[in-house]
Amino acid sequence: GAVVSQHPSRVICKSGTSVKIECRSLDFQATTMFWYRQFPKQSLMLMATSNEGSKATYEQGVEKDKFLINHASLTLSTLTVTSAHPEDSSFYICSAPGTSPHTQYFGPGTRLLVL
Amino acid sequence: AQSVTQPDIHITVSEGASLELRCNYSYGATPYLFWYVQSPGQGLQLLLKYFSGDTLVQGIKGFEAEFKRSQSSFNLRKPSVHWSDAAEYFCAVAVNTGTASKLTFGTGTRLQVTL
Repeated sequence: GAVVSQHPSRVICKSGTSVKIECRSLDFQATTMFWYRQFPKQSLMLMATSNEGSKATYEQGVEKDKFLINHASLTLSTLTVTSAHPEDSSFYICSAPGTSPHTQYFGPGTRLLVL
Repeated sequence: AQSVTQPDIHITVSEGASLELRCNYSYGATPYLFWYVQSPGQGLQLLLKYFSGDTLVQGIKGFEAEFKRSQSSFNLRKPSVHWSDAAEYFCAVAVNTGTASKLTFGTGTRLQVTL
């Protein structure tokens, strides 16, 4: 089946630094990828849709300059949390649509802790 | 706008007992419905999905769900729960954006299994 990987799996950083999270589709191409954020014991909230070769589409309330998304190839999307602060600490999950309609394959997630 | 409600935040069942997790959705058109399971430290895994046709769908790991349009529900069931089923369960509805489907998740139900 389709596999989506994320790197790193967890990261701890100091407040004010930037953190890049990678999302890769390992055995299929994805012109679109999705980025979600999950707070402890809460649901997944869609942050943005990453589009290969064009700008990402952000959900209402998500700061574009804070969460930079780049979809440089058909197998890689990156999320950069710029000038991270403790309130950005969360679990970030990416997904990519599969060949089956309306189905998404999820990465294992990246846990970010900002001190 | 579409929404998903999972009324039960936390459910505890004994191993071997039956299980039903509730999910109600709100969506103007024919919904594409999903159940995902999230185990600690792991990505979301698709249990089953409903697009059309038979309203009782079978999934992996012995799970099934029934779509009831009149009740706007898509409840997940399992006849006999195993200890390994302890996890977080998310119901989701897909909205077709044209290029890919965006998922809206419920708040999740945490399942605890007692031995």
